[in-house]
Amino acid sequence: DAKTTQPPSMDCAEGRAANLPCNHSTISGNEYVYWYRQIHSQGPQYIIHGLKNNETNEMASLIITEDRKSSTLILPHATLRDTAVYYCIARRGSGGSNYKLTFGKGTLLTVNP
Amino acid sequence: DAGVTQSPTHLIKTRGQQVTLRCSPKSGHDTVSWYQQALGQGPQFIFQYYEEEERQRGNFPDRFSGHQFPNYSSELNVNALLLGDSALYLCASSTVGSPGVHGTDTQYFGPGTRLTVL
Repeated sequence: DAKTTQPPSMDCAEGRAANLPCNHSTISGNEYVYWYRQIHSQGPQYIIHGLKNNETNEMASLIITEDRKSSTLILPHATLRDTAVYYCIARRGSGGSNYKLTFGKGTLLTVNP
Repeated sequence: DAGVTQSPTHLIKTRGQQVTLRCSPKSGHDTVSWYQQALGQGPQFIFQYYEEEERQRGNFPDRFSGHQFPNYSSELNVNALLLGDSALYLCASSTVGSPGVHGTDTQYFGPGTRLTVL
């Protein structure tokens, strides 16, 4: 799986959009970009994933650049409950023989009142 | 629809003991993965079970073993506990072809079991 690079920490004001960047310059054509978040001492929560098109769900939007070398997770109206560590993971789709998720250190997003 | 459940929530053991952690997958899922998360680190993959067989293993010693039952639930066993085994143990379930998930086997995590080895 391609290596991803994220800033160690970010701050955001409550009610504003939080934009979390991720670099995955060595991503291959069959690798998806996944985002998970982990609130302190809880299990990681799946947020969203995408291959090359932008994706949106009830939690967030995922913007992937045309060359797929980077992406941005957008939380449109951050709340205090969005304070968490956010992980960006590049992983192949179903099939093949590598099933694991490889977590890095992620980005600690702190939403301030 | 129940999500992934794990038991127990917390556990305290002493060095040299053995421990068994349990996981029930999300309804409709047939695959279970286990991860270890040390304090301040991201989760590390231990192994994955599918069709009652271990089909991928991470860089963990043989002291870590598992099992998957016909109802898809799973156990993680750790023998000869070391202080360094203290961690949050996470279970994740998935299935190929999850409805609405295009071409991927998205993993959904349980709340974890906090193991402390004294």
